[in-house]
Amino acid sequence: DTAVSQTPKYLVTQMGNDKSIKCEQNLGHDTMYWYKQDSKKFLKIMFSYNNKELIINETVPNRFSPKSPDKAHLNLHINSLELGDSAVYFCASADRLSSYNEQFFGPGTRLTVL
Amino acid sequence: RKEVEQDPGPFNVPEGATVAFNCTYSNSASQSFFWYRQDCRKEPKLLMSVYSSGNEDGRFTAQLNRASQYISLLIRDSKLSDSATYLCVVNTKYSSASKIIFGSGTRLSIRP
Repeated sequence: DTAVSQTPKYLVTQMGNDKSIKCEQNLGHDTMYWYKQDSKKFLKIMFSYNNKELIINETVPNRFSPKSPDKAHLNLHINSLELGDSAVYFCASADRLSSYNEQFFGPGTRLTVL
Repeated sequence: RKEVEQDPGPFNVPEGATVAFNCTYSNSASQSFFWYRQDCRKEPKLLMSVYSSGNEDGRFTAQLNRASQYISLLIRDSKLSDSATYLCVVNTKYSSASKIIFGSGTRLSIRP
């Protein structure tokens, strides 16, 4: 069983569209994250949720809206997609909101905006 | 100055060699440190946490130098399977949240 799963794995779409990426973890973790890894391979945190509550919201355009229906799910909705949104998006989870905990990453969603 | 800096490499070394990477961080209040490994087109996975006293896991040794604000990773007797990108991660706790910063990664390529 995959611990952290994301769908879809690949997403190709046109500029201006709205799309969602789903993430689920079956580890019983309280904390979930979204990261963006661009073409230069920089991995940057976008959001962090703890028990469905937004904890970290880095400087991300408000076209990006995370939603956590329960603590096992953290979805990412993106409005009005732009070329610069093309990247790999990773979801991750950790046991608790602690700086010492290992993060478990999903396999990533490769988003290409045309 | 970037908050977390790594030499991007690539490091290209023969099998069996010893290789070391450093990672510097700018915030002296940073609390926890990790090395993650990322294979090509895969997700990052934890390699090891880095403790103040230094720690070893098989062929891998991690060190933390708080005075100079860097962490290091040493790989002994390198294997072909060690080829990957190694990401340094620094976690700084603020009043109500932690700030997690990944370095840009050091690419390692082991040749037969």
